[in-house]
Amino acid sequence: GENVEQHPSTLSVQEGDSAVIKCTYSDSASNYFPWYKQELGKGPQLIIDIRSNVGEKKDQRIAVTLNKTAKHFSLHITETQPEDSAVYFCAASIRSGGSNYKLTFGKGTLLTVNP
Amino acid sequence: KAGVTQTPRYLIKTRGQQVTLSCSPISGHRSVSWYQQTPGQGLQFLFEYFSETQRNKGNFPGRFSGRQFSNSRSEMNVSTLELGDSALYLCASRDFGGTGNSPLHFGNGTRLTVT
Repeated sequence: GENVEQHPSTLSVQEGDSAVIKCTYSDSASNYFPWYKQELGKGPQLIIDIRSNVGEKKDQRIAVTLNKTAKHFSLHITETQPEDSAVYFCAASIRSGGSNYKLTFGKGTLLTVNP
Repeated sequence: KAGVTQTPRYLIKTRGQQVTLSCSPISGHRSVSWYQQTPGQGLQFLFEYFSETQRNKGNFPGRFSGRQFSNSRSEMNVSTLELGDSALYLCASRDFGGTGNSPLHFGNGTRLTVT
């Protein structure tokens, strides 16, 4: 069925190190893959997204890669800082009947950056 | 532009009661989606409205309903509340609905506690 798997569920890194979060999806027709960051007491905030016609996208310290053949995509954060500590969610557009799509989210990764 | 606004921020209800949550989307956005967020299940899609019509629906019982007004504002209603309905309810808006390939912009949610 419609599914987005996200790993790891928790990730602890030292300040300055890189962090990688991976997701897989089930629907081969998925064509849009956003990543969200959620801080305590707030709603998820979009940090980067990628569409299926691109293999990689970068925005300063954040990058996302997409492998459509393997149906997986990853978030890479370089030079991590304590303010990067949050829960990160991946999502994929999944068919929900006819030509309608909905965003289906992974279960989230709690990233802790230790000073 | 103002972001997505959800009211109220917190609600406490007892089992069997009903509740109505409100959402004002970003100006110009015609699509509003609702998600339920719990520690165990993550972000679960409830429904999406576009131009006052429900375009997508998740796998929730009929006790969960919603509507959208001509100014794109949306409300969701939960009747006959159960303890398991305790969650953070998130509203998100985007430019257009159904295609699944445009960014969702989330509000900060309404925290519902059912006792």
